[in-house]
Amino acid sequence: GAVVSQHPSRVICKSGTSVKIECRSLDFQATTMFWYRQFPKKSLMLMATSNEGSKATYEQGVEKDKFLINHASLTLSTLTVTSAHPEDSSFYICSARAGTPYEQYFGPGTRLTVT
Amino acid sequence: AQSVAQPEDQVNVAEGNPLTVKCTYSVSGNPYLFWYVQYPNRGLQFLLKYITGDNLVKGSYGFEAEFNKSQTSFHLKKPSALVSDSALYFCAVRVYGTYKYIFGTGTRLKVLA
Repeated sequence: GAVVSQHPSRVICKSGTSVKIECRSLDFQATTMFWYRQFPKKSLMLMATSNEGSKATYEQGVEKDKFLINHASLTLSTLTVTSAHPEDSSFYICSARAGTPYEQYFGPGTRLTVT
Repeated sequence: AQSVAQPEDQVNVAEGNPLTVKCTYSVSGNPYLFWYVQYPNRGLQFLLKYITGDNLVKGSYGFEAEFNKSQTSFHLKKPSALVSDSALYFCAVRVYGTYKYIFGTGTRLKVLA
């Protein structure tokens, strides 16, 4: 149980375009989802917390207009990187909080490469 | 401010030997502590957690961790390392009053055959 999927696993896009990453909880309802960014050989940086039916809460320094987060249902959150630039290239990981309040279940990650 | 530290970037251990990956923390309130493992180009896999109760926590794949309040540590241990344990290990702590985590910088474990 408590499986989280992400789609796509890898995406390459051209500079200036937008790309959407989906995060789904497959066998549970997730009232809260989290989006992280991981740089090579670095730790995870929390970008935003996404609650179903409400606006995401962004961490300091994260541009909310660039990283659009939508949590339209209890099983789906999306991260859209708008007007992508090469410096947005990274590994993006989502996680979801299930019934056990303090555990997060992580997706497999999405490798974004902006050319 | 709350924080978690993993003082070692890399730990090398011979297969069959015991391993320890260190983690220390600074939190407000009672600490909720977690260990995760990450294989290349993969998400994080949950190993174990400490919320309350016994200081020795047993988790997946034979790993365990000891919560030490006086030393504010939560070191990950395994009695006998396997080559397949080679991966990146993250310690995390819950931010007090929220559901958010703060992650340590990660420790790369290399188990040598």
